[in-house]
Amino acid sequence: GAVVSQHPSWVICKSGTSVKIECRSLDFQATTMFWYRQFPKQSLMLMATSNEGSKATYEQGVEKDKFLINHASLTLSTLTVTSAHPEDSSFYICSASRGGPYEQYFGPGTRLTVT
Amino acid sequence: GDSVTQMEGPVTLSEEAFLTINCTYTATGYPSLFWYVQYPGEGLQLLLKATKADDKGSNKGFEATYRKETTSFHLEKGSVQVSDSAVYFCALSDQGSGSRLTFGEGTQLTVNP
Repeated sequence: GAVVSQHPSWVICKSGTSVKIECRSLDFQATTMFWYRQFPKQSLMLMATSNEGSKATYEQGVEKDKFLINHASLTLSTLTVTSAHPEDSSFYICSASRGGPYEQYFGPGTRLTVT
Repeated sequence: GDSVTQMEGPVTLSEEAFLTINCTYTATGYPSLFWYVQYPGEGLQLLLKATKADDKGSNKGFEATYRKETTSFHLEKGSVQVSDSAVYFCALSDQGSGSRLTFGEGTQLTVNP
C-alpha cells in the first residue's frame, strides 16, 4: 500500500511557541490531505481537509488561526500549531488520498506535548 | 450529522475465541463503511470496507456486512490471534473513502495466549 510519513514523530515545546508538523505522501500524489486529532483512548476528530493549492477547510470548532494548514504540493502538507498551550497537547494524525473513491492512507502520527 | 457508535471497550479475549465488535451508524444517504485497525505505535490501516447495502467486506479472517435495515456494520472474526491485539475503529464516509471520514470511538482488543 501507499506510504504516508509524518515528522516529527514526537515533539515537546514550551507554552507560547509554535510547532510545525509535516505530512508527506512518499509514493503517490495526494490531491487531498486530512488532519485529525486523537485524544487518549478516544476517537479521531477531523480538524481540517486540505486540497493542494487551495485553502484548507476547517471543521466547526477548530480555530483556523491557531492550526495553520498549508498544502503546498501534491506530496506535502504541514500543520502549524501557533502559540501552543498545554491543552493543545495531543496526538495529531494526517492522512492522504487521491480523493473521491480512492483510499485514505494514514501517517503514524505525531505526539505533541506542550509544557 | 453523520455519526458512528461502537461498542464500549476494552475487549479481552483468549486466543481462538470468537470476536464481535458492534458498530452502528447514522448518516444521510448511502455511506461507505469501513473498519480501520491501529496497531501499537503505528498509523491506522484499512482493514475492510463495504460500499453498499448487503456488501460483505473481508480481510485477514475479519468480516463485516453492511446492514442498511439495522444501520450496522459489526466486525467479526471466528478465531482471534494474539497478533490481532490492536484498536479497531469503525468509520463511514458519504463521499467515498478518499473523502472525509467519521470515526467511532475505537475499541481496544487484547488477545491473551
